[in-house]
Amino acid sequence: DTAVSQTPKYLVTQMGNDKSIKCEQNLGHDTMYWYKQDSKKFLKIMFSYNNKELIINETVPNRFSPKSPDKAHLNLHINSLELGDSAVYFCASSRRAENIQYFGAGTRLSVL
Amino acid sequence: TQLLEQSPQFLSIQEGENLTVYCNSSSVFSSLQWYRQEPGEGPVLLVTVVTGGEVKKLKRLTFQFGDARKDSSLHITAAQPGDTGLYLCAGEASGYALNFGKGTSLLVTP
Repeated sequence: DTAVSQTPKYLVTQMGNDKSIKCEQNLGHDTMYWYKQDSKKFLKIMFSYNNKELIINETVPNRFSPKSPDKAHLNLHINSLELGDSAVYFCASSRRAENIQYFGAGTRLSVL
Repeated sequence: TQLLEQSPQFLSIQEGENLTVYCNSSSVFSSLQWYRQEPGEGPVLLVTVVTGGEVKKLKRLTFQFGDARKDSSLHITAAQPGDTGLYLCAGEASGYALNFGKGTSLLVTP
């Protein structure tokens, strides 16, 4: 049983398209995150949700919109994709009190 | 944003050698974490250090938290090919998220 699962694993799309990445965790955690890892392997926080409420929104273009339908899911929708959006996107979850983060396997997004 | 500087950025060594990776900041952290990431996977937590001066051991890996809680090091004894991966240090940021260092990419060849 995968603890944090993301779909799809790979996403290849054209500039200007809209795409979504889904994330689900079965750990019973109350906090979920989206991170972006660039080509130099730098991992940076994008969003943080606690009990379905947004608590962090780093300097991310508003083309990126996270949606949390329930505590176990945090999806990422991206509008009008640009070349610079190409990266690996990681979903993670944690129990707020512990802050040990469990990561999904990542979604490699390639914008052509 | 509390910045974490990791060094070296890349390390290529032979099996059996020892190595140390450093994680430094000008800020004080309540705790620091070390993660390892393998190709095609997400980072996996290795250890959390909380107390200044703390030393934790995980088999051949030794983690140390600086007395002032601004820096940490990871020492690997007798490295093995299975140790190959990206090592990331991370400190708490706002909203329960983590600020990561830029990572140390380690390659251990037989």
